[in-house]
Amino acid sequence: ETGVTQTPRHLVMGMTNKKSLKCEQHLGHNAMYWYKQSAKKPLELMFVYNFKEQTENNSVPSRFSPECPNSSHLFLHLHTLQPEDSALYLCASSQDGTSRTDTQYFGPGTRLTVL
Amino acid sequence: SQQGEEDPQALSIQEGENATMNCSYKTSINNLQWYRQNSGRGLVHLILIRSNEREKHSGRLRVTLDTSKKSSSLLITASRAADTASYFCATYSNDYKLSFGAGTTVTVRA
Repeated sequence: ETGVTQTPRHLVMGMTNKKSLKCEQHLGHNAMYWYKQSAKKPLELMFVYNFKEQTENNSVPSRFSPECPNSSHLFLHLHTLQPEDSALYLCASSQDGTSRTDTQYFGPGTRLTVL
Repeated sequence: SQQGEEDPQALSIQEGENATMNCSYKTSINNLQWYRQNSGRGLVHLILIRSNEREKHSGRLRVTLDTSKKSSSLLITASRAADTASYFCATYSNDYKLSFGAGTTVTVRA
């Protein structure tokens, strides 16, 4: 266990549904991240939160909406997704989002399938 | 943008053999990290090597770094079935984003 949990582990949703992914870290870290991992492609950074403030939105479509109520929790709200959004969504945390020596700790991911 | 690229894309070896994979990157770095990902799971940090280090060991892992060639290698010695996974190198860009390569998929045959 890395100290980062994600729920649900698997999610199947229709294009008109609204769902949320949840991430929680028990490491006392100050930075949290959302990544998208599609087959045969490198990890794509989506959002970064540092001390609850969003510091990065990597040109992510508005159908993905992040929320960070505190340093331990991160949500990704999903609505009107497209089939190409099907992927493994990974949450990660690190001690300091402004450090170039940080190690990131990843959750197990949510496998999302959009029908 | 992708900073690191791993080579080969896939590697199949017999249990007990060594596995070597390489990573090339584009810009100057402060450090380079290697991560492992078991199928359908999250990434796990393996080792970090700083730019002023040339070699680092952790258990059966050996990492080298050649900043003049902008490359790193990860060697797994005496491989086991549990080493079957994808391995990624990662480096930080100037804007504090950790950029991952596409990974090397290692299969260890029993």
